[in-house]
Amino acid sequence: QGQLQQSGPGLVKPSQTLSLTCAISGESVSSHGASWNWIRQSPSRGLEWLGRTYYRSQWYYQYAESVKGRITVNPDTSKNQFSLQLNSVTPEDTAVYYCVRGNYHFDYWGQGTLVTVSS
Amino acid sequence: EIVLTQFPGTLSLSPGERATLSCRASQTVNGDYLAWYQQKPVQAPRLLIYATSTRPTGIPDRFTGSGSGTDFTLTISGLEPEDSAVYYCQQVGGSPPWTFGQGTKVELK
Repeated sequence: QGQLQQSGPGLVKPSQTLSLTCAISGESVSSHGASWNWIRQSPSRGLEWLGRTYYRSQWYYQYAESVKGRITVNPDTSKNQFSLQLNSVTPEDTAVYYCVRGNYHFDYWGQGTLVTVSS
Repeated sequence: EIVLTQFPGTLSLSPGERATLSCRASQTVNGDYLAWYQQKPVQAPRLLIYATSTRPTGIPDRFTGSGSGTDFTLTISGLEPEDSAVYYCQQVGGSPPWTFGQGTKVELK
């Protein structure tokens, strides 16, 4: 299986949109055996699963209630990657964000991106 | 949402000793969907155990998982200096969110 390489800005202003991308190598984002997740970690909230996308003859999406309405996880088959968009961020969204492969457990993790929400 | 509570918060042990880490769920967890992770400073978590007791390739056999229902245990037999880390349990229930415990820190004296 693959490796995950994250990219995106480390500083976002309040009320703006946090955008991160995760490039996958060694496996297809459309693989029927995998799900592609975003998880964040902060001292106040610990490890928090945010959402995922996966392909099983069609694309599926699932999101945590805590961020539903603000979050989008999208696959990009042309670049073999997936992305996270989190809208209307506040300082509470400051955290290390990880892209992660896994269905029932998480076996491959990106390197993590510290995203600070501050003006 | 299933809440996972880990205890103790911190374990301070000597090399060669055995560490016993507990994870208690607020509802019954399907054992196929209970995992443990190790996290060292400034690193991403690493999968140690999945499906309650299965070790991925490359994980030393001194790490053992057990349990069922609402009570699960990670045992580290013969602690090595490199086992200093924070350990998290995690569950995947019938519907999201997938949740993690708050972690147990293992310190070696």
